[in-house]
Amino acid sequence: SQTIHQWPATLVQPVGSPLSLECTVEGTSNPNLYWYRQAAGRGLQLLFYSVGIGQISSEVPQNLSASRPQDRQFILSSKKLLLSDSGFYLCAWSVGARSNQPQHFGDGTRLSIL
Amino acid sequence: AQSVSQHNHHVILSEAASLELGCNYSYGGTVNLFWYVQYPGQHLQLLLKYFSGDPLVKGIKGFEAEFIKSKFSFNLRKPSVQWSDTAEYFCAVNAGAGNNRKLIWGLGTSLAVNP
Repeated sequence: SQTIHQWPATLVQPVGSPLSLECTVEGTSNPNLYWYRQAAGRGLQLLFYSVGIGQISSEVPQNLSASRPQDRQFILSSKKLLLSDSGFYLCAWSVGARSNQPQHFGDGTRLSIL
Repeated sequence: AQSVSQHNHHVILSEAASLELGCNYSYGGTVNLFWYVQYPGQHLQLLLKYFSGDPLVKGIKGFEAEFIKSKFSFNLRKPSVQWSDTAEYFCAVNAGAGNNRKLIWGLGTSLAVNP
């Protein structure tokens, strides 16, 4: 069966420090991968999605970037964190070949910027 | 632009009460519809989905939703809620074409069920 792992679960970082959040999927090949930010009362905001290795689409201009160095690995990064980057970040995957499939979510990373 | 609207942001019910959470979307083409649930401290999980066929779909834990195309709606229902249904509920619509279709999310409805 497929599983998705996201880490770390919580992270506290100072302003201006770099960021790297990792997400890996097991049990499937060529998944679509997604990074979301979830804010209370504001739903889920899609940040990035990827349909294949090295293919990244950015949904909103921001201080973050994403990379997909391997088929089942999706990384969310920043060179210099801002206070406004605080939030709850979710990684998700869906079956790549069929775009109408549901997305499956990781447990999320709570990021606090001090 | 495509959007999803969930009418109720916060709902408080007593156990055994009936539940209906509204969801409307704006998109004129073919859509796939989803309800997700997020229990306290847990990850988002799929509650039910509609792709085609019978517009009344049944999901896990006694939930169901009805797709009414003429109303662009996909309301979630449960005849008798339990305390364990306390959670946040999200409606999402997969619209567009090709492999780059994306989920468009509602803002969520927070449900609190009092024992």
